[in-house]
Amino acid sequence: SQELEQSPQSLIVQEGKNLTINCTSSKTLYGLYWYKQKYGEGLIFLMMLQKGGEEKSHEKITAKLDEKKQQSSLHITASQPSHAGIYLCGAENYGGSQGNLIFGKGTKLSVKP
Amino acid sequence: NAGVTQTPKFQVLKTGQSMTLQCAQDMNHNSMYWYRQDPGMGLRLIYYSASEGTTDKGEVPNGYNVSRLNKREFSLRLESAAPSQTSVYFCATRRGLETQYFGPGTRLLVL
Repeated sequence: SQELEQSPQSLIVQEGKNLTINCTSSKTLYGLYWYKQKYGEGLIFLMMLQKGGEEKSHEKITAKLDEKKQQSSLHITASQPSHAGIYLCGAENYGGSQGNLIFGKGTKLSVKP
Repeated sequence: NAGVTQTPKFQVLKTGQSMTLQCAQDMNHNSMYWYRQDPGMGLRLIYYSASEGTTDKGEVPNGYNVSRLNKREFSLRLESAAPSQTSVYFCATRRGLETQYFGPGTRLLVL
């Protein structure tokens, strides 16, 4: 079965610093999703990547999918306290239930003012 | 539009009690999902419904039942709650292979 591994598990950065979160799949990715979750809230969709080498940006967040489609990274530039939360990557689970996603265990980001 | 709504937001149960978690969507999506989120385990699929009238088991269905009442509503029932079912439960919806949209979650504590 497919598994997603995220690293690091947690991250504490000073406001204004850049950071990167990684998501590695045990199998080829056919759809990779990034979500953000604040404590006590649901998952907010950030970006979706499908093609090898694809890169998308929204405000100060950039997500990339490598050419081999087995690894994705999420990069935050000039972090702010509003970026704090749990970041989860999700992928199409083609080996499992119809249309559901499998998820990594998440990366907890804290941003110190 | 409310998107995906879940009720209740919080619930405390005693072992053996039953309850139903409600999920409703106004996005006109065919597929609906129930996940549970536990520390160190990530999100795991409990049940899903690809369309009105159909339901299927996910990764961790034991101890749960579901009902797809209509296109809008998908409920999750715990017939006899156990402490192992203490978790945060999320409902999600999807149209085809587009993005999944999540509700705000229900925090359940089983004593």
